[in-house]
Amino acid sequence: DQQVKQNSPSLSVQEGRISILNCDYTNSMFDYFLWYKKYPAEGPTFLISISSIKDKNEDGRFTVFLNKSAKHLSLHIVPSQPGDSAVYFCAASAVYNNNDMRFGAGTRLTVKP
Amino acid sequence: NAGVMQNPRHLVRRRGQEARLRCSPVKGHSHVYWYRQLPEEGLKFMVYLQKENIIDESGMPKERFSAEFPKEGPSILRIQQVVRGDSAAYFCASSPSTGTDTQYFGPGTRLTVL
Repeated sequence: DQQVKQNSPSLSVQEGRISILNCDYTNSMFDYFLWYKKYPAEGPTFLISISSIKDKNEDGRFTVFLNKSAKHLSLHIVPSQPGDSAVYFCAASAVYNNNDMRFGAGTRLTVKP
Repeated sequence: NAGVMQNPRHLVRRRGQEARLRCSPVKGHSHVYWYRQLPEEGLKFMVYLQKENIIDESGMPKERFSAEFPKEGPSILRIQQVVRGDSAAYFCASSPSTGTDTQYFGPGTRLTVL
């Protein structure tokens, strides 16, 4: 049961432009969402999170938007840099059961110089 | 300030052998999670442990897989009688507590079953 979906396996963006990574979920009990970034041969590293009481959270070049009615969230990176090239995982959990964090399949972002 | 450590980084086993994967959490973290990443798939939750206790093993296959987090020492994910389908990257994560704490991931162990 794929409760968290990232429908774009890959995304290519020019340096300096905006990268938009999308994520959809099906479980209405999810109320805490995270984005992780993963470089090859390394574990995922936490990037940014958002709880369901918000619709936007910003941290430097990274902004996460949450649309609860559409069960959709997105990660915006602006301006994109070559060092942002990595696989980005969307994750979701219900706070009451944070143990069971569900991850999407990931989107590979390539930022071209 | 050591992060989550996992060893070995790469493990090769023949079908029927046992695989032991070790995870040392961030110092001071008492919660450990194990995830599996199959090719072309996202990370899948396997088990959540606190010191000496399994809290949630709903993602663990019912047979051949076990996990422990002893009072002293690393957490161990053990796979008995491995099969080719067990080939995957296994990630361990730790957090100081549950709730909305983010989880800090180790570099993973890539298991290859020949």
